[in-house]
Amino acid sequence: ETGVTQTPRHLVMGMTNKKSLKCEQHLGHNAMYWYKQSAKKPLELMFVYNFKEQTENNSVPSRFSPECPNSSHLFLHLHTLQPEDSALYLCASSQDVGVGGYTFGSGTRLTVV
Amino acid sequence: AQSVTQLDSQVPVFEEAPVELRCNYSSSVSVYLFWYVQYPNQGLQLLLKYLSGSTLVKGINGFEAEFNKSQTSFHLRKPSVHISDTAEYFCAVSSYGGSQGNLIFGKGTKLSVKP
Repeated sequence: ETGVTQTPRHLVMGMTNKKSLKCEQHLGHNAMYWYKQSAKKPLELMFVYNFKEQTENNSVPSRFSPECPNSSHLFLHLHTLQPEDSALYLCASSQDVGVGGYTFGSGTRLTVV
Repeated sequence: AQSVTQLDSQVPVFEEAPVELRCNYSSSVSVYLFWYVQYPNQGLQLLLKYLSGSTLVKGINGFEAEFNKSQTSFHLRKPSVHISDTAEYFCAVSSYGGSQGNLIFGKGTKLSVKP
C-alpha cells in the first residue's frame, strides 16, 4: 500500500457505458494527477489538480472528465470511450506541483470492448 | 520542451551481476531527475531523485544514479542484482519552477534478472 488507493483495479466497459475511476490519498498532498499508461508508449500526463483546482488538461478528449471534490479525492469519469482508450490509468499525488517525488497508486486496468 | 530517452528497452542480466540502465534527457532549463520502478500489476514506486547537491544519488534497494550535466545523463546502477529486481524502470524529468507539474517519463527499460 503506497498511500494512494485506486478503485477499481480492473474495469471492462462497453463503448456506450459510463463509469468512474476513483483515487484517494491521505498523505496530506496538495497536488493530484491522472496518467495514462499504454503499451509501448511513455506515460502520458492527462490532468493536474493543485489545491482542488485543475491546472492542466493535456489535450485530453472530452470523453474523459476529471473531478476533484477535495484535496484527498480525484475521480475520472468515463463515457463513450473507444477501444484505443484501453490502458492502465494511474493516479499520483505530490506535496506540491512540479517538484516530483510523486506517490503513485496501483492503477486501474481499463479494457474498452 | 523537455524529453527523456531511455536507450535500452530491455536489459537481460544474470543474478549477482552489475547493471546500468541508461537515461539521457533534453531540457533548456535546469531539471529535477527521477527513477521509478514498476513491478508487474503495480503502480510506479520512486527509487531515487536528484534535486540538487551531490551528483551521486543513492536510492532504495541498493540502486544509485549519477547526474552528469555535461552529458545530460542520469544513469541508474546497481553493483549486484537480485531476481526480485526484475521490473520495468522509468527515468523522468521535471523542470525547476514547473508550475504545471509536468513530470516527463521515458519509455521505460525492462530489466530481466536470470538465475
